[in-house]
Amino acid sequence: GESVGLHLPTLSVQEGDNSIINCAYSNSASDYFIWYKQESGKGPQFIIDIRSNMDKRQGQRVTVLLNKTVKHLSLQIAATQPGDSAVYFCAGRNAGNMLTFGGGTRLMVKP
Amino acid sequence: NAGVTQTPKFQVLKTGQSMTLQCAQDMNHEYMSWYRQDPGMGLRLIHYSVGAGITDQGEVPNGYNVSRSTTEDFPLRLLSAAPSQTSVYFCASSTIAAGYGYTFGSGTRLTVV
Repeated sequence: GESVGLHLPTLSVQEGDNSIINCAYSNSASDYFIWYKQESGKGPQFIIDIRSNMDKRQGQRVTVLLNKTVKHLSLQIAATQPGDSAVYFCAGRNAGNMLTFGGGTRLMVKP
Repeated sequence: NAGVTQTPKFQVLKTGQSMTLQCAQDMNHEYMSWYRQDPGMGLRLIHYSVGAGITDQGEVPNGYNVSRSTTEDFPLRLLSAAPSQTSVYFCASSTIAAGYGYTFGSGTRLTVV
């Protein structure tokens, strides 16, 4: 069935290091992917998105990579800061503008 | 500009009670949706709407009803609450146009005892 999942449930990194959060998806018809950040007690917050006709997109300190061949995308955070500590979700958009979310990865930043 | 507003933030219900979770957006977004988030799981789509007067079922619609009488509001109704509906509920909105991310509300934490 259709699913979007994550490889690691928890990622612990040292402040200042780069973080890489991975995500696999199963529906090759997904045309658009989004990364969300969710802090405790808050709703998901949009970070960055990428369309299926791209393989890389950069934002401020964040980069999303898409590999359609193996149905994998990743979120890279440069110079990780304590404020980056949160749960990160990937989501793929399918027919009808419906998003399918992965289970989430908790990023913990050690000072 | 308030974005997406959800009320209440917290609610405790007894099994069999009914209630409505409110969601309102002021961004003139066509698309609105309801998700539930359970521990260790991602967000799962309950119902969605692509415009006023149009609603459709998502992945887990059973036990929930929705209506979309205006562009701004998209209430979620629990007709007879069950403990399995204990969860955090998020409302989200977006434009229909391709490439626009969703805006989420801050969530309603519902406990059914």
